[in-house]
Order: sequence, then structure tokens, then C-alpha cells
Amino acid sequence: GQNIDQPTEMTATEGAIVQINCTYQTSGFNGLFWYQQHAGEAPTFLSYNVLDGLEEKGRFSSFLSRSKGYSYLLLKELQMKDSASYLCAIMDSNYQLIWGAGTKLIIKP
Amino acid sequence: ETGVTQTPRHLVMGMTNKKSLKCEQHLGHNAMYWYKQSAKKPLELMFVYNFKEQTENNSVPSRFSPECPNSSHLFLHLHTLQPEDSALYLCASSQDNTGSGANVLTFGAGSRLTVL
Repeated sequence: GQNIDQPTEMTATEGAIVQINCTYQTSGFNGLFWYQQHAGEAPTFLSYNVLDGLEEKGRFSSFLSRSKGYSYLLLKELQMKDSASYLCAIMDSNYQLIWGAGTKLIIKP
Repeated sequence: ETGVTQTPRHLVMGMTNKKSLKCEQHLGHNAMYWYKQSAKKPLELMFVYNFKEQTENNSVPSRFSPECPNSSHLFLHLHTLQPEDSALYLCASSQDNTGSGANVLTFGAGSRLTVL
């Protein structure tokens, strides 16, 4: 079967660094996406990885290891506005998105 | 307006009511989607339209009926719903749904549905 695992909830401190992990088992792989969703708002696209390695985009970075079925989203210099849910999604061999349940990130002052 | 707009943002209905959710995108995209989002669960894909043709129907009960009159508008018609259908219904659009890897979705803010 297809499965994506993310922690349900994480807490971090303003100004610190946090890593949100995503592990997956899917039928084929055509890329991994991270989306951010603030409470009551639309999910918004953060990153797309299809090759192994680290993609950096400002304070946010996303890492992928296809052989390990593993990705993480790294958030640096955390700000209060980073409090949100972070959704991991895999595009499978049929180009369909398989979603994780999301990780709720709570930032404390 | 830009992006993906959904109306209404909140809807309360009884099990015998008929209502509709509306989605409009101003991005020139050719694919539109309906997703169901329940608390602490993964997004569930309900329907996909690509160039106005329905290409996906993930075993959704017939009490949910989609309509796509053109590539900018998408409706979800609701009738005789059950309390377990209460959820956030998200609309999304993308350039197309023809098998491109980097198929980024743009979501609307959702319609929060409560079925009494």
C-alpha cells in the first residue's frame, strides 16, 4: 500500500531551527512536495524535490533521499508567522498526489 | 481578483437540504480539483477535471455531484448529506493534469461545511 508518515505536531522556539520529517512508501515516485497551511487558509506551495539533495529557498530548505524514502523540511530563524501545518505529498507513478496528514508546527516566543 | 476563490466560506445544512459550493480560478489553469480535508487526516482527492473533462472520481458517494461548465469554474452540488460529510472542502487548480512532475496546485481557502 501507499503510506506517508509525518509527525502530528511539533513545537519550536522563535529564532530557532526545526526539521519536519516525512517518510513514504508509494507506488513509484515522480516528486515530493511541501505545502504550508495556516489555520483557516489555503495550503500554499513551498517546495518540490525530484532529485536527491537539498533545495534551499530563503529560510526554508527541503531535502530528499529517494533510496531511503525520506524527506525533511528545514525551517531556520523561526518566526511566529511560521506557526502552521506543513503538508508532505508524493506524486506517484500515475502522477497522482498522495498526501500525508500534515504536521502542526507551534512556535513559542 | 486573483488566485482561487471559493464561496461560501462557511455553510451549515441539514441532511435533507440541497446546496452548492462554488470555485473560480483566475490563473488560466486547465485542471481543477475538489479535495476533502478532515481534521488530522490526509487530503482526500474527490474529483479532477482536466480541460473541462472529468478525469478522476475517487469512489465519491453520489450525494456529491461535481460540475465544470468551463475551465475557470467548478461546482460541487450537495444533497442528502450525512453528518460525517462535515469537513473543509478545498478547491485547487493547476496548469494541467497531464502527467507533469512539477504539477503545482494553487488552492482556495476552502468551504467549511457542517451537516446537522
